[in-house]
Amino acid sequence: GAVVSQHPSWVICKSGTSVKIECRSLDFQATTMFWYRQFPKQSLMLMATSNEGSKATYEQGVEKDKFLINHASLTLSTLTVTSAHPEDSSFYICSAPTGVSNQPQHFGDGTRLSIL
Amino acid sequence: AQSVTQLGSHVSVSEGALVLLRCNYSSSVPPYLFWYVQYPNQGLQLLLKYTTGATLVKGINGFEAEFKKSETSFHLTKPSAHMSDAAEYFCAVSGGYQKVTFGTGTKLQVIP
Repeated sequence: GAVVSQHPSWVICKSGTSVKIECRSLDFQATTMFWYRQFPKQSLMLMATSNEGSKATYEQGVEKDKFLINHASLTLSTLTVTSAHPEDSSFYICSAPTGVSNQPQHFGDGTRLSIL
Repeated sequence: AQSVTQLGSHVSVSEGALVLLRCNYSSSVPPYLFWYVQYPNQGLQLLLKYTTGATLVKGINGFEAEFKKSETSFHLTKPSAHMSDAAEYFCAVSGGYQKVTFGTGTKLQVIP
């Protein structure tokens, strides 16, 4: 079945570093992908909608310059956390609808980001 | 607009007992409803979904949920809890297959 691959699964880096997270749809094309963030012991909050070939749509309160999203192809969206700080440490998950009727979105396995 | 309310952030049941995790939703369009399970330090796994048709849906690992439009509910049940069911469970709603809104999650503890 349809699969979404997210990479890397775990990142530990120093404060001030920029970190890129990739989300790939492996056997389907995704004109739209979604990026979620999950703080410890909390639910998933939608950060932004990634649109292939156009600008991402950010949810209220999400800093566009902090969380750069690029959706350059129909199978790849990237989230770059720029100049990361400890408060950016979180679990980030992407998802993509397959576009097929009656098929739910497929979620990546998530990326745990730890900023020291 | 859509939202999800999960009653009870923590639920404890004995092994072999009934599991009932509550979920109420609101949606301005006919909802698609989902239950996901998340094990520690892992991503989300889809347990079951309701889109249209039969209101009682069966999922993996013996879980099922019933869509009750009049009550705007989509409670998750399992007749007999197993130790391996201990995890966090998220109810979610979407209008079609667009952005998904998640509930705050319910952590299920299974007591031996």
